[in-house]
Amino acid sequence: EAGVTQFPSHSVIEKGQTVTLRCDPISGHDNLYWYRRVMGKEIKFLLHFVKESKQDESGMPNNRFLAERTGGTYSTLKVQPAELEDSGVYFCASSQDLPPGSEQFFGPGTRLTVL
Amino acid sequence: RKEVEQDPGPFNVPEGATVAFNCTYSNSASQSFFWYRQDCRKEPKLLMSVYSSGNEDGRFTAQLNRASQYISLLIRDSKLSDSATYLCVVWGYSSASKIIFGSGTRLSIRP
Repeated sequence: EAGVTQFPSHSVIEKGQTVTLRCDPISGHDNLYWYRRVMGKEIKFLLHFVKESKQDESGMPNNRFLAERTGGTYSTLKVQPAELEDSGVYFCASSQDLPPGSEQFFGPGTRLTVL
Repeated sequence: RKEVEQDPGPFNVPEGATVAFNCTYSNSASQSFFWYRQDCRKEPKLLMSVYSSGNEDGRFTAQLNRASQYISLLIRDSKLSDSATYLCVVWGYSSASKIIFGSGTRLSIRP
């Protein structure tokens, strides 16, 4: 069974540019999460989808971040315009149910560098 | 004060040793607790959930102390392959936004 996949694995952009990250969850997982780890800090929750609906987006830093999950399958996270402080590793995770009912499986992450 | 605190380490122990580390959490309403393992530049992977009664999985034992608000992870007979960062994860209420990660404890096992 394929795990959670993320694309791209790395992205280097200049301040002010736009970047779109993609996450493909494990097939059949209704719950999809985005997290971010800024260098030297802990992983922080960004938002949670249940199917195509945003269940909780309280962790989104500001309105430069836009997440979508069309059709309840893959999800995209767009940063526009990117700022220096957006640099970090963006993880996506999916699960069948909410923890602790079922395990969260993480993707390999997208390492974003904003210059 | 951070909601979830861990000693960052690194813990550097010889192969075969027993090592333990704790994680404290500030929210007494927290419901679920987990230990994740993260290898360098890789994604976190669930190591084990932590149950109120404590639980064991092979060489790994997890304990929860609600009164003192900490969880612990004990690794016996450590292997070189145990070298990784161990993340404490605490989940409260019924919202995903209450999933709080610790910053991790680095463990290095030497031959």
